[in-house]
Amino acid sequence: EAQVTQNPRYLITVTGKKLTVTCSQNMNHEYMSWYRQDPGLGLRQIYYSMNVEVTDKGDVPEGYKVSRKEKRNFPLILESPSPNQTSLYFCASSITPGQGAKETQYFGPGTRLLVL
Amino acid sequence: QKEVEQNSGPLSVPEGAIASLNCTYSDRGSQSFFWYRQYSGKSPELIMFIYSNGDKEDGRFTAQLNKASQYVSLLIRDSQPSDSATYLCAVTGGYSTLTFGKGTMLLVSP
Repeated sequence: EAQVTQNPRYLITVTGKKLTVTCSQNMNHEYMSWYRQDPGLGLRQIYYSMNVEVTDKGDVPEGYKVSRKEKRNFPLILESPSPNQTSLYFCASSITPGQGAKETQYFGPGTRLLVL
Repeated sequence: QKEVEQNSGPLSVPEGAIASLNCTYSDRGSQSFFWYRQYSGKSPELIMFIYSNGDKEDGRFTAQLNKASQYVSLLIRDSQPSDSATYLCAVTGGYSTLTFGKGTMLLVSP
């Protein structure tokens, strides 16, 4: 089954304790992206990756890191989480950036993070 | 800063009616337009995309695009209670990133 998976789905942590949220897709997609979703603010892009070893900042990259060593994986790293990073996080992938259907992004199930 | 604007709603319609959801965008260079549906606590799922001016129909859904007015809409015919969700408009311009609106909540009452 074609899908984007994220782990963990739920996470409670404390301020300053490094964490990684994994994202994997089995569709051979070139483009992957991380979003956070907060009430009243909608979906905001954190980082994206056009392909292996190619990453770039989105709208809200502060406090986050990413890496793209393999095509299928795109982990999100919070080196020193803070309470303002409490949010619902989504990973998404698409075949390739470009016009039309190939840009369609498919979303993972989400990771709900609480930073105390 | 690219902006995508949607009325937050809620938009309330009775079952069987047509629901009309609207979206405007600021970047004239935008090329592709997407409508996603998101149930509470779930991930967004694609309903349809459109990139040419005019209408595109898929079952009960019709997307309408007017690039001159920088306006895209989604019509849902014969609305069902199961259509109750938040509808997200998203816009991209080729190799740029996807920008989402904040979504419109739709409530379909039986």
